Amino acid sequence: EAGVVQSPRYKIIEKKQPVAFWCNPISGHNTLYWYRQNLGQGPELLIRYENEEAVDDSQLPKDRFSAERLKGVDSTLKIQPAELGDSAVYLCASSIRQGPNTEAFFGQGTRLTVV
Amino acid sequence: QQQVKQSPQSLIVQKGGISIINCAYENTAFDYFPWYQQFPGKGPALLIAIRPDVSEKKEGRFTISFNKSAKQFSLHIMDSQPGDSATYFCAASGGMRGNTGKLIFGQGTTLQVKP
Repeated sequence: EAGVVQSPRYKIIEKKQPVAFWCNPISGHNTLYWYRQNLGQGPELLIRYENEEAVDDSQLPKDRFSAERLKGVDSTLKIQPAELGDSAVYLCASSIRQGPNTEAFFGQGTRLTVV
Repeated sequence: QQQVKQSPQSLIVQKGGISIINCAYENTAFDYFPWYQQFPGKGPALLIAIRPDVSEKKEGRFTISFNKSAKQFSLHIMDSQPGDSATYFCAASGGMRGNTGKLIFGQGTTLQVKP
C-alpha cells in the first residue's frame, strides 16, 4: 500500500515568490493534515481537513497561506508571497478518521528554502 | 494549555544501554499519547502510543510509562541499537471537541546510539 505522497521533495524560491505543495493521502483516509516543521522543532499543525472541509485552520497564516482539498482526496498548500521565515519542512499526514487513538501517517515532507 | 514539553534535547547512549526520554503535558483533557520516530529526510512514523487508562505499554524493546497524576510520560528504549539513532517526538491529542486528532508535538530528542 502506498503511503502519503508529497511533491516536490525540495523547493528553493526567492522571497516574495509563490510556492505550492501537493499531497496525495493514503487511499480511504478522509482526514488530512498539513504540518510545518521548523529546524530542530516538532511539527505544528497548520490545517486539518475532514473530507473536503477544513475543520481546523486556526494556525494557518491566512494572509499568505491557503489550502484546498478538492473532492476530499488530494490537497495543495500554497504560500503567496513567501517570506524568509517560511523556510521549513511542510509535512502532510492522513488518517482514516478523526478522533483519539487514530494513527496519523506522515509523508516525507517538502523542504522549502526561501532565499 | 496546549504545550507538550520534552527532554532531553539530545541523548547519547552506548549500544545495549537504556534510552529514556521524558515528556510533560498541561492539558488534562488529552487522552492519546503517541511517540513518533523520525529519521533524517523522512516524515515522522508512529512508534508506540498509550491512553491514560493504563500506566505502561510495552512493544518489543519500546515501553511507554505514563503517570497521569504528574501529567508525565516517558519512552524507554531497552537494549538500544545504532539503528535506533533518530529523532523522537512525543505528542498528545484529544480533549475538546474538534481537537481530537490534532497532535501537539514536543520539541524532539535526538538520540545517538554509539556502537
